[in-house]
Amino acid sequence: QVQLVQSGAEVKKPGASVKVSCKTSGYTFTSSGISWVRQAPGQGLEWMGWISTYSDSRSYAQKFRDRVTLTIDASTSTVFLEMRSLTSDDTAVYYCARPIPVPGTTLNYFASWGQGTLVTVSS
Amino acid sequence: DIQLTQSPASLSASVGDRVTITCRASRSISNYVNWYQQKPGKAPMVLIYGASTLQTGAPSRFSGSGSGTDFTLTIGSLQPEDLAIYFCQQSYSSPWTFGQGTKVEIK
Repeated sequence: QVQLVQSGAEVKKPGASVKVSCKTSGYTFTSSGISWVRQAPGQGLEWMGWISTYSDSRSYAQKFRDRVTLTIDASTSTVFLEMRSLTSDDTAVYYCARPIPVPGTTLNYFASWGQGTLVTVSS
Repeated sequence: DIQLTQSPASLSASVGDRVTITCRASRSISNYVNWYQQKPGKAPMVLIYGASTLQTGAPSRFSGSGSGTDFTLTIGSLQPEDLAIYFCQQSYSSPWTFGQGTKVEIK
């Protein structure tokens, strides 16, 4: 079955960078891209960006465009999220999620999610 | 960006009650709405996609309707395991956005 397994919790100081991994299995890695979604404590879900695993193209939400980079390692079917210049506002659980299309339409939805990675930013 | 406004923010209902959650989009998004359930400490899980299609494996007491700007998630008969936060999400245009969530509690 499809699995997205994320790296473990991180504690970072303000101004630092963090890199979170999402290792995929159970499907053809290049058949769909991966999105990243974060959730601050007690808050809602915020889409951050998406990377294609077949064309290496990317799309970022405007607020993350300058601080976030998404990359892939096709040899291990792993996707990475790197975020720079961290502040306390970046304390959140970060999820990778696999969007899949509804056949015959342009609809898509997040069918599979990683377990989440808590990133804590604190001095 | 397309804004999604959910109501209510929270609700408390009894087992067996019919529960309705609404999601309003800031502009027409056809049927490009998905609904997710997030149980405490867990990742979200899709319940409904394309506004009204029940995801395989999701309980049949969940249903979705709507098109354009107004969408509804209905729990036909609330069960104790439905304690969760429910989010709508649009995939009509980037950036994909979520509603702020509706917390469902059991009386």
